[in-house]
Amino acid sequence: GAVVSQHPSRVICKSGTSVKIECRSLDFQATTMFWYRQFPKQSLMLMATSNEGSKATYEQGVEKDKFLINHASLTLSTLTVTSAHPEDSSFYICSASPRGSWYGYTFGSGTRLTVV
Amino acid sequence: KNQVEQSPQSLIILEGKNCTLQCNYTVSPFSNLRWYKQDTGRGPVSLTIMTFSENTKSNGRYTATLDADTKQSSLHITASQLSDSASYICVVSAMGNYQLIWGAGTKLIIKP
Repeated sequence: GAVVSQHPSRVICKSGTSVKIECRSLDFQATTMFWYRQFPKQSLMLMATSNEGSKATYEQGVEKDKFLINHASLTLSTLTVTSAHPEDSSFYICSASPRGSWYGYTFGSGTRLTVV
Repeated sequence: KNQVEQSPQSLIILEGKNCTLQCNYTVSPFSNLRWYKQDTGRGPVSLTIMTFSENTKSNGRYTATLDADTKQSSLHITASQLSDSASYICVVSAMGNYQLIWGAGTKLIIKP
């Protein structure tokens, strides 16, 4: 089945630094990938849709200059949290689907970001 | 407004027992409904996905039902195991776009 790999699984960074999270589709090509954020005891919230070869589409309220998304190939999308602050501490998850499959069907294992 | 509501919010049962989780939605036009299992600190894992024409779908000890007329779905877990302890999330997709409408989830705890 389709597998989405996400790295790192856990990262701690200092306030003001930037952190990059990778999302890879291992056995299929994904023209579209999705990035979510999940706060404790809450459901996933869509942050942005990453489109291969073009600009990402951000949800309302998500700062595109703070959360940089790059989808340079059909198997890799990256999310960079720039100038991270403690309030950016959260669980970040990506999802993707093979072509012809249901959108955003398979999820990565998530990245726990802690900003200190 | 497109919404997905789940009940109960949390549930504790003994190992070996069965349980049923509920999902009501107001998403329109309806495309598909998914049930995901999310372990703490992990990404969601798909259990079932159903379209308008499907009434029931099973995945091992998990059986999902869908009533598109009443816009209700249920997830039945048979002979629960300790590893079933997780959050179970109902997600509905509207036709014509990629957006997924997420329920708040049911936190299930299986006790020995």
